[in-house]
Amino acid sequence: DGGITQSPKYLFRKEGQNVTLSCEQNLNHDAMYWYRQDPGQGLRLIYYSQIVNDFQKGDIAEGYSVSREKKESFPLTVTSAQKNPTAFYLCASSIGAGPEKLFFGSGTQLSVL
Amino acid sequence: SQQGEEDPQALSIQEGENATMNCSYKTSINNLQWYRQNSGRGLVHLILIRSNEREKHSGRLRVTLDTSKKSSSLLITASRAADTASYFCATDPKAAGNKLTFGGGTRVLVKP
Repeated sequence: DGGITQSPKYLFRKEGQNVTLSCEQNLNHDAMYWYRQDPGQGLRLIYYSQIVNDFQKGDIAEGYSVSREKKESFPLTVTSAQKNPTAFYLCASSIGAGPEKLFFGSGTQLSVL
Repeated sequence: SQQGEEDPQALSIQEGENATMNCSYKTSINNLQWYRQNSGRGLVHLILIRSNEREKHSGRLRVTLDTSKKSSSLLITASRAADTASYFCATDPKAAGNKLTFGGGTRVLVKP
């Protein structure tokens, strides 16, 4: 089955720790995105990538880092600089470079211990 | 600040009734999209309407776009319990460069 796989489903971070959220897609999509969703809120864009080895900051990139070494993979690292990391993180992809019809993964809930 | 804002924030209807929700945005757009999210899950794309289109249909969904008022509406006809979800509008602003911006969503409860 084609789709986007996010792992883990739940993740706990200790203070001062970096954690990495995985996102893999087998849809052969060019663009990939990371969004953050706080309870009862909409989605805010963290980072996006339109092509391998290139990515751009979204609206709330501070405290996060990404890489795009392979077309199918776009991992997100939540660094210790992100002081309020508790949120639901969603990865998405789209066929072309433009954000038309995003396909989403099932999300990772990150909580702070 | 968010580009799109949905109204109402929450909606409760009986099965079989129609559900209407609205989205307002601030700047010129290339297209506007609607997504559905079931609790604790990822979003699912419902429909995309381009800036030169005024109305679009998909099954029980009807979307309108008024670029002069910078607003859109999503109508779900003959609602079912399975339509219970949060609905988000998302805009592709012309000046934003490939950044899809989401509103805060409308939570819809369809009571059987």
